[in-house]
Amino acid sequence: DIQVTQSPSFLSASVGDRVTITCRAGQGISTYLAWYQQKPGKAPKLLIYGASTLQSGVPSRFSGRGSGTEFTLTISSLQPEDFSTYYCQQLNAYPYTFGQGTKLEIK
Amino acid sequence: EVRLVESGGGLVQPGRSLRLSCTASGFKFDDYTMHWVRQAPGKGLEWVSCLSWNNGLIAYAGSVKGRFTISRDNARRSLYLQMNSLRPEDTALYYCARGTYSGDDSLDYWGQGTLVTVSS
Repeated sequence: DIQVTQSPSFLSASVGDRVTITCRAGQGISTYLAWYQQKPGKAPKLLIYGASTLQSGVPSRFSGRGSGTEFTLTISSLQPEDFSTYYCQQLNAYPYTFGQGTKLEIK
Repeated sequence: EVRLVESGGGLVQPGRSLRLSCTASGFKFDDYTMHWVRQAPGKGLEWVSCLSWNNGLIAYAGSVKGRFTISRDNARRSLYLQMNSLRPEDTALYYCARGTYSGDDSLDYWGQGTLVTVSS
């Protein structure tokens, strides 16, 4: 199985801050990586696929970069509604594995 | 509007079986690979299984392989997960999700989940 490691697990930030979450794959996965946002009590929501393509309707303050084994999700200017938990998922090989999540909290 | 509605969850004793269903609407169901993803209480997401539109591709997580069986009925627009030999560690909210039509199979629509509790 391809291990996916997210960092940090917790992140404290303020409205307007720029934040970056990192996802590392245990082996090269090209750009087969997606990012999801999950709010408490809700299903996950797809933000980015193909490592860098913004899903329709997702605000442009979200961006993704990377290929191979290292990937980042950046939120350029945090809004109140962005305080959630974020997951990456590799889609290069079965089983599709998720990172352990990053909980983004208000400072 | 794309909609996925899971059902069939509940409380079950260890070693017993349960069958989950997911009913789809708002899109051409038989064009898409469908997935099950679970989330244990207070924990992260775990991909469980997927099945392609024509049953040609099936995959499972190692933790459920040999115990769970994914299937679909395109005429009924439904996805299923037969769960046998259930264990306490299978306790989770089970989501049904759609794989994207083109590209990398990322999960673009999700249901709200059905809760499975395995306990004596």
